[in-house]
Amino acid sequence: GQQVMQIPQYQHVQEGEDFTTYCNSSTTLSNIQWYKQRPGGHPVFLIQLVKSGEVKKQKRLTFQFGEAKKNSSLHITATQTTDVGTYFCAGPLQGAQKLVFGQGTRLTINP
Amino acid sequence: NAGVTQTPKFRILKIGQSMTLQCTQDMNHNYMYWYRQDPGMGLKLIYYSVGAGITDKGEVPNGYNVSRSTTEDFPLRLELAAPSQTSVYFCASSRQMNYEQYFGPGTRLTVT
Repeated sequence: GQQVMQIPQYQHVQEGEDFTTYCNSSTTLSNIQWYKQRPGGHPVFLIQLVKSGEVKKQKRLTFQFGEAKKNSSLHITATQTTDVGTYFCAGPLQGAQKLVFGQGTRLTINP
Repeated sequence: NAGVTQTPKFRILKIGQSMTLQCTQDMNHNYMYWYRQDPGMGLKLIYYSVGAGITDKGEVPNGYNVSRSTTEDFPLRLELAAPSQTSVYFCASSRQMNYEQYFGPGTRLTVT
């Protein structure tokens, strides 16, 4: 079945270092969404990418959608302790009205 | 605007007991979803609804039931609780299918 894979599963960085998580789909996606979940919290929508090759920025966060619309990445520049949490990508299941979530990348930061 | 609200926040059930997890949204969204999240894992879709009176199964529907009598409410029913249903349950809603989803705060359920 259609899968959305994320790597790495865990990432520990020193505050101020950069962080990147990658999302890969087995099929072409009509859009890719990114969510952030703080420890003990609920997922919160960050952004949606729709176009092939699209790049969007939110302050220190940069989101990319691959040319083939099968992969995406989230890059955080100069991490801060407020960036701690799990980052999920999600894409619509082909032909169905469902979102498939990746398993998430858990980011921890040493202050 | 409260967004998506869920009750209860926490619950402990004995094996075989039943309960209903409540979910309400005040954004007039047609689309609503129930997910479960096991420790350290991603989100798995249990059931979803595209509007009042219309529901459909997700990835892991066994052991659960839903109903959608109004646009605002989407309760999830566990009939015979099992330890495998120990999880955190999130309700979500969206304006359009497969677009930005708004999540509730979750219900942490333990079955012992």
